[in-house]
Amino acid sequence: SAVISQKPSRDICQRGTSLTIQCQVDSQVTMMFWYRQQPGQSLTLIATANQGSEATYESGFVIDKFPISRPNLTFSTLTVSNMSPEDSSIYLCSVEGTAPRETQYFGPGTRLLVL
Amino acid sequence: EDQVTQSPEALRLQEGESSSLNCSYTVSGLRGLFWYRQDPGKGPEFLFTLYSAGEEKEKERLKATLTKKESFLHITAPKPEDSATYLCAVRDNYGQNFVFGPGTRLSVLP
Repeated sequence: SAVISQKPSRDICQRGTSLTIQCQVDSQVTMMFWYRQQPGQSLTLIATANQGSEATYESGFVIDKFPISRPNLTFSTLTVSNMSPEDSSIYLCSVEGTAPRETQYFGPGTRLLVL
Repeated sequence: EDQVTQSPEALRLQEGESSSLNCSYTVSGLRGLFWYRQDPGKGPEFLFTLYSAGEEKEKERLKATLTKKESFLHITAPKPEDSATYLCAVRDNYGQNFVFGPGTRLSVLP
């Protein structure tokens, strides 16, 4: 398994501002994923971030709104830009582990409230 | 398109009352089926990975089974600390992504 940390753990932001969420992993991983989980809902994939390439975004998510960086094999950031109350969610970082294979491990999440 | 449904949406059990959660899936070649537990305000915690029909995995009071169309998470003699949302996800042979079901909210009453 992998140990994943996220910063901040929670934040309250004003409409129109941006927030950058950091994800740090204790080992080198190829694939990192960013998810959004709105209140009472399941997980929705925002994008997949591989080191050395542009992030791949899912339908309904665009780079201008959710820019992602992946500077190395242990770190990634997700920025939520020009926020509105509809962006209030938990944002989760995850990585694909090797044991067991194909398995995904999650960070603790960042709880965002936009006023 | 891969799809995952879970039932029931919510389940309330008395402590010690065994039951099962269902995860039904449609996928183009199963690469893996995953069960997670999620407590309020926290990230999902990995429980099991199943790769092929007939496979079973166990951990304490939990046992996961897999067929070609569905997976069950059996909870034997649950305790209040088993209360959580249980998520099922699949990954197919053609994509890199995971598709999550809506989850089952389990409450175990003392």
